[in-house]
Order: sequence, then C-alpha cells, then structure tokens
Amino acid sequence: AQKVTQAQTEISVVEKEDVTLDCVYETRDTTYYLFWYKQPPSGELVFLIRRNSFDEQNEISGRYSWNFQKSTSSFNFTITASQVVDSAVYFCALSSTSGTYKYIFGTGTRLKVLA
Amino acid sequence: KAGVTQTPRYLIKTRGQQVTLSCSPISGHRSVSWYQQTPGQGLQFLFEYFSETQRNKGNFPGRFSGRQFSNSRSEMNVSTLELGDSALYLCASSLQGSGREQFFGPGTRLTVL
Repeated sequence: AQKVTQAQTEISVVEKEDVTLDCVYETRDTTYYLFWYKQPPSGELVFLIRRNSFDEQNEISGRYSWNFQKSTSSFNFTITASQVVDSAVYFCALSSTSGTYKYIFGTGTRLKVLA
Repeated sequence: KAGVTQTPRYLIKTRGQQVTLSCSPISGHRSVSWYQQTPGQGLQFLFEYFSETQRNKGNFPGRFSGRQFSNSRSEMNVSTLELGDSALYLCASSLQGSGREQFFGPGTRLTVL
C-alpha cells in the first residue's frame, strides 16, 4: 500500500528562521514520483516540485530546497529565511505509474511564519 | 494560459439532494482528477479521468460519480447528499496524470444542510 506521512501538523516560526517540513512515504513500487504542493490561505493548491524515484539529487530553488533520501523514504522540504508569505499548508504527495494512477497526499503541515 | 476553472465556487444544498460540479482543465491537459478536502480527512482522491475514461477511483461510495467530455471538461455528481459530504471539492488537471504535476482549481465549497 502507498502512504504519505507528514508528522508535523503545525509549525510556527519567526520570520527569517529556517524551517524543515518532513515527509515520509511508503510504496512498494520501484518507479514513483514525489511532489510538494503549497496551499495558501486563498485555498488554491500550487505545485512546487516533482521528483522521480531515480533522481536523488537535492534541489534548490531560491529559498526552497528539497532533500530526497530513498534510504529513509523521506522527501523533506526546507525553507530558508522564512517570510510571512510562506504561511500556508504544505502537502507532500506520492504517485506511481504502475497499476493504478492514484495520487496519495499527506495530511499536510500548516506553517505559520510570524513577523 | 488560463488555469483550471471550477463552477460553481459555492453551493448550499440540503440532505437528499444531488449536485453537479464542473471543472475545465488547462488547455491541452487530458487528465482530470477530483479530490475531496475536509479538515478531518485531508485531501482524498475521488477519481481520475483521462481521455473520457475513468482511469482510477478512490474509496468513495457509488453516490459519487463523474464523467469527462471530449473537450476534457469534467463533471462530478453527488447524489443523495449527506451532511458528511460538506467539503471543498478540488479539481486538478495534468498533461498525462500519474507521475506528472497537477494544477488545481480554486475548488467548489459544498455545504450540505
């Protein structure tokens, strides 16, 4: 069975602090994809990043970085020098191309960045 | 390029009624997925359509159904509404579906009284 766990329900940080959002996944598939989405207060989910199971390179995009480790089945997301605009719910998701085509989302982590 | 649009944005219905929600995907996207989002259950996958065929279905009762038209627009229907169906229903479009990033619409907020 596929599963995504985001153990952190809510995190509060002060602006300019770094923060890491954890994501642990379970799958028996060898080919799969991992994603992060952001849901700001306005409600619309926004795609942030996609990673396939064969690419363990870490990625950095501005203040955002992602650490994918197959050995620990984790795909963590770090925001450096957080800003108030980063306040949102962040979802980690898993998708597989074998058999069914489900997208499995984690329960989300609510990030509050305080000024 | 226009994003994913969903109509209506808000709906209020009473128990026992039925409702139809509409989703227009991004031009060129052939995959449309539907999700139910509630505070207690999070984001739950309802079903995915690709080229007018339902490719996968989540664990929801048969009261929840959908379809996709030749222009990739999709509708979702919920019959015999229950109080527990109150939720934000999100539509997402993708070029191919699984393995590709999804682009979400703003959602339809359904309230069942």
